[in-house]
Amino acid sequence: QSVLTQPPSASGTPGQRVTISCSGSSSDIGRNYVYWYQQVPGTAPKLLIYTNDQRPSGVPDRFSGSKSGTSASLAISGLRSEDDADYYCASWDDSLSGPVFGTGTKVTVL
Amino acid sequence: QVQLVQSGSELKKPGASVKISCKASGYTFTSYGVNWVRQAPGQGLEWMGWINTNTGNPMYAQGFTGRFVFSLDTAVSTAYLQINSLKGEDTAVYYCARTNPSYGDPIAFDFWGQGTLVIVSS
Repeated sequence: QSVLTQPPSASGTPGQRVTISCSGSSSDIGRNYVYWYQQVPGTAPKLLIYTNDQRPSGVPDRFSGSKSGTSASLAISGLRSEDDADYYCASWDDSLSGPVFGTGTKVTVL
Repeated sequence: QVQLVQSGSELKKPGASVKISCKASGYTFTSYGVNWVRQAPGQGLEWMGWINTNTGNPMYAQGFTGRFVFSLDTAVSTAYLQINSLKGEDTAVYYCARTNPSYGDPIAFDFWGQGTLVIVSS
């Protein structure tokens, strides 16, 4: 069902900046907001970014989101060990009349 | 504080049924929709659909019609997911998640249950 494409993995050392891409189409990202979720292995996902670039209360400003056309990105600056997790983008898909998630990116803090 | 607490793991045989509960607390249950998300072992997240907790009207995603049933008991602030005629490919962790419209689209899931592992095996 996943129609948003993400790189399977990304990595960095503590303090570095990591960027994750999310590629969609005109029926999803091209017309709708993008959301990002963080999932630490063995736990439930957590909302990280909403409406492209907004952070819920409690999410550090090290996390930032952006969108351009049919693609979006999540940037993590000042990488920390606790950022070691899976990250999923999501967007509403007009053709499916429902949300679609990205394929997921495993971020490893070296 | 807002919490969604799901029922425990289940081991079922093919062809059986399972009913997972998701009990909400810390907010007005009927003010926020409840979604169901599946995560197969080692795989990504898959939206199954949602239920309007005010009207009880469910909406199922493509691929989750027929054997999957969403229901509510608003008296105890609980949503349910029932899966009938279980198959091996239903083995997964199932999450309930609250939709918060103040975060934009209906896909802003701001609180999640801890997940329920369903294993289907003979």
